Amino acid sequence: GAVVSQHPSWVICKSGTSVKIECRSLDFQATTMFWYRQFPKQSLMLMATSNEGSKATYEQGVEKDKFLINHASLTLSTLTVTSAHPEDSSFYICRPVGGNTEAFFGQGTRLTVV
Amino acid sequence: GDSVTQMEGPVTLSEEAFLTINCTYTATGYPSLFWYVQYPGEGLQLLLKATKADDKGSNKGFEATYRKETTSFHLEKGSVQVSDSAVYFCALSDRGNNDMRFGAGTRLTVKP
Repeated sequence: GAVVSQHPSWVICKSGTSVKIECRSLDFQATTMFWYRQFPKQSLMLMATSNEGSKATYEQGVEKDKFLINHASLTLSTLTVTSAHPEDSSFYICRPVGGNTEAFFGQGTRLTVV
Repeated sequence: GDSVTQMEGPVTLSEEAFLTINCTYTATGYPSLFWYVQYPGEGLQLLLKATKADDKGSNKGFEATYRKETTSFHLEKGSVQVSDSAVYFCALSDRGNNDMRFGAGTRLTVKP
């Protein structure tokens, strides 16, 4: 299967600070990146979709100024949670897609805002 | 729009019991279907998939068959182990835009 690397796997930050999460496709080129959020004991919620070199498309209710997505290359996308607050604490997961590699997720990032 | 309905559970079984987790879908086209497993604190691992009607996906003793006539993709395993305890997600993917829809997830606990 395709190799996806998401970093960091967990992070604790103070309220008001920003956190950057990286997602890399190590053995394929990701033309599209999906970012999800998962609350405890719930399913995945799509936050945004980005195509390489273009602005991300955000799902309804997701603040684009709070969750900044960059997809400047075919192997790297970043999600930055700006001015984080405790309610942003969650599990964030990426899914890069390119060619036939639609089915593989990053390992996830557990964000805790204190 | 496309959607997935999944038996929510939780499901508790004894070791070596037979497992079925039901999954049905609604789609306008011909999606690909997936089962994922998620262990605590981890991301989603692809368990198996099927891309067209009557395909059977299988892996690690788990199986699921793409049934177009019943729009189902039920997950089965003949003999579960304690190590199978996890949350299982059914999902479908639109071939056109790669959008993926998930079921609510089913928590499985296998007791020795």
